[in-house]
Amino acid sequence: SAVISQKPSRDICQRGTSLTIQCQVDSQVTMMFWYRQQPGQSLTLIATANQGSEATYESGFVIDKFPISRPNLTFSTLTVSNMSPEDSSIYLCSVGSRGGNTEAFFGQGTRLTVV
Amino acid sequence: GENVEQHPSTLSVQEGDSAVIKCTYSDSASNYFPWYKQELGKRPQLIIDIRSNVGEKKDQRIAVTLNKTAKHFSLHITETQPEDSAVYFCAASTPSGSGGGADGLTFGKGTHLIIQP
Repeated sequence: SAVISQKPSRDICQRGTSLTIQCQVDSQVTMMFWYRQQPGQSLTLIATANQGSEATYESGFVIDKFPISRPNLTFSTLTVSNMSPEDSSIYLCSVGSRGGNTEAFFGQGTRLTVV
Repeated sequence: GENVEQHPSTLSVQEGDSAVIKCTYSDSASNYFPWYKQELGKRPQLIIDIRSNVGEKKDQRIAVTLNKTAKHFSLHITETQPEDSAVYFCAASTPSGSGGGADGLTFGKGTHLIIQP
């Protein structure tokens, strides 16, 4: 299985600021995904990070709020912009590959608290 | 889009007994169904998965069954142990319209499994 490293592991941020979360994988993967897990809740897909093209966002999530970069096949970033307390969540990246429904593994997550 | 329902939300069983968690999905095109175990403060860990061309899969004390016609799948844990206590999530993946593949997962709401000593 791929080894996925996320950073930061946690942060406390002031409202109105932005935070960029990094996800690094130890091998090339076709697809990377970003999820949000609100306190005590399940996981919700934010977007698919596509290498060489714009990210694909799920309903309820927009690029202006959650810009994503995917410069190569091992790295992606998610920015949480203009944060409010409602953005306090765990953000997780995940990897998979197109064409085979390979297993989806998760990074350790970034615990974000907005004050 | 896909919708995944998971039951029960909380399940308490005696150590050594079996536990069953059930999920239903709405999109008949979904073809990949993983199960995750999440301990407090940790990332979800993949414990078993099944693809739509298979009806059952087993790995030691854990098994998953899939009924494509009824669009439901279940997790079975036998001989439960205290370390099985955690939150379990089912998920479903629907291939994208551009030709299939591991697209993002839709998760159930989770089951808090409690193993009573």
